[in-house]
Amino acid sequence: NAGVTQTPKFRILKIGQSMTLQCTQDMNHNYMYWYRQDPGMGLKLIYYSVGAGITDKGEVPNGYNVSRSTTEDFPLRLELAAPSQTSVYFCASSRQEYNSPLHFGNGTRLTVT
Amino acid sequence: AQSVTQLGSHVSVSEGALVLLRCNYSSSVPPYLFWYVQYPNQGLQLLLKYTTGATLVKGINGFEAEFKKSETSFHLTKPSAHMSDAAEYFCAVSDKDTGNQFYFGTGTSLTVIP
Repeated sequence: NAGVTQTPKFRILKIGQSMTLQCTQDMNHNYMYWYRQDPGMGLKLIYYSVGAGITDKGEVPNGYNVSRSTTEDFPLRLELAAPSQTSVYFCASSRQEYNSPLHFGNGTRLTVT
Repeated sequence: AQSVTQLGSHVSVSEGALVLLRCNYSSSVPPYLFWYVQYPNQGLQLLLKYTTGATLVKGINGFEAEFKKSETSFHLTKPSAHMSDAAEYFCAVSDKDTGNQFYFGTGTSLTVIP
């Protein structure tokens, strides 16, 4: 039972490069999320999706894009990497009920230099 | 708007001592409250959650938390700390008004001293 799987685990980008962080879940969850975690700042929501074809901005969406073509996959795209995007990125999923907890992947550590 | 405050970004306890990690929230409607634990280089794992019903909630690894509406608190406790409890702990809140968005505190790093 894989749960939420993120790839890659680590990545170093040069300023201006682009990349896609992959996230897939096998729990048939409707809701999926992307968070970034910075030291002392907790988790900030970047984008979320309530189902295939539906995405919405979170608290810190600038510089990122997402798509949700299937229930399982929710990739996060960085178009022009900036040093401010150096962070640890977590994908999560949950069932539709309001009291359902989040299930997290193990994260992607991204450094932009 | 919903928010979460975790008092104390770093807490140190001796092995065998009581663990108390504080969480206060703001929510205009009945909240759903969660505690997550993060071990180094891993994602967050659910420790316990409060949705409705009994205000004292028991979770994994001997942790429990009590929902106190009058104090808008959801503090996490464990009677006796173990070395393996050393980790980062996050409190989070959601409710029906947030549409399944979760708001996280800034985390508390727990150190257990042998």
